[in-house]
Amino acid sequence: DGGITQSPKYLFRKEGQNVTLSCEQNLNHDAMYWYRQDPGQGLRLIYYSQIVNDFQKGDIAEGYSVSREKKESFPLTVTSAQKNPTAFYLCASSRAKNIQYFGAGTRLSVL
Amino acid sequence: GIQVEQSPPDLILQEGANSTLRCNFSDSVNNLQWFHQNPWGQLINLFYIPSGTKQNGRLSATTVATERYSLLYISSSQTTDSGVYFCANSGTYKYIFGTGTRLKVLA
Repeated sequence: DGGITQSPKYLFRKEGQNVTLSCEQNLNHDAMYWYRQDPGQGLRLIYYSQIVNDFQKGDIAEGYSVSREKKESFPLTVTSAQKNPTAFYLCASSRAKNIQYFGAGTRLSVL
Repeated sequence: GIQVEQSPPDLILQEGANSTLRCNFSDSVNNLQWFHQNPWGQLINLFYIPSGTKQNGRLSATTVATERYSLLYISSSQTTDSGVYFCANSGTYKYIFGTGTRLKVLA
């Protein structure tokens, strides 16, 4: 099936630990995005990438890092510098008309 | 930057009722989308509607780009319509989301 796959569904982070969230798409979309959603809030953009090997910071990039080595993949690392990482993380992708499609999300909690 | 305001913030309906959700933009409307976030967190595309009117079953949307607003109509609401409705607008690649309308439909 075509779509966006995020894994894992649930993730727990220990203090001082880096964790990586996976996002894979088989829609042949050029652009990919990472958003953070806190309870009862809207989505805020962390990073986005328009093409392979290129990415830009969004509104809340501090404490996060990304890579875009393949068109299909856009992993997000939540580093130990992110002091409040507990949130719902959503990955999206889009093609030329910028219609965004979302994955099912990863819920990250701190132990 | 682009600001997106949604109203009302919360809405409770009896099953079968109709409703209108609104999205106002501080800047020009470019790539406007409406989404429904279900109770499990999944964001479902409803409409891509930078201008004009579209309909999909019981849902329809209208965007008046010159006046910088968009409306989402839900007719004959069902309990499965419950969740949060977001609109989002973008300049180029960067989408800005509203804070959402939380809809609860009662049986």
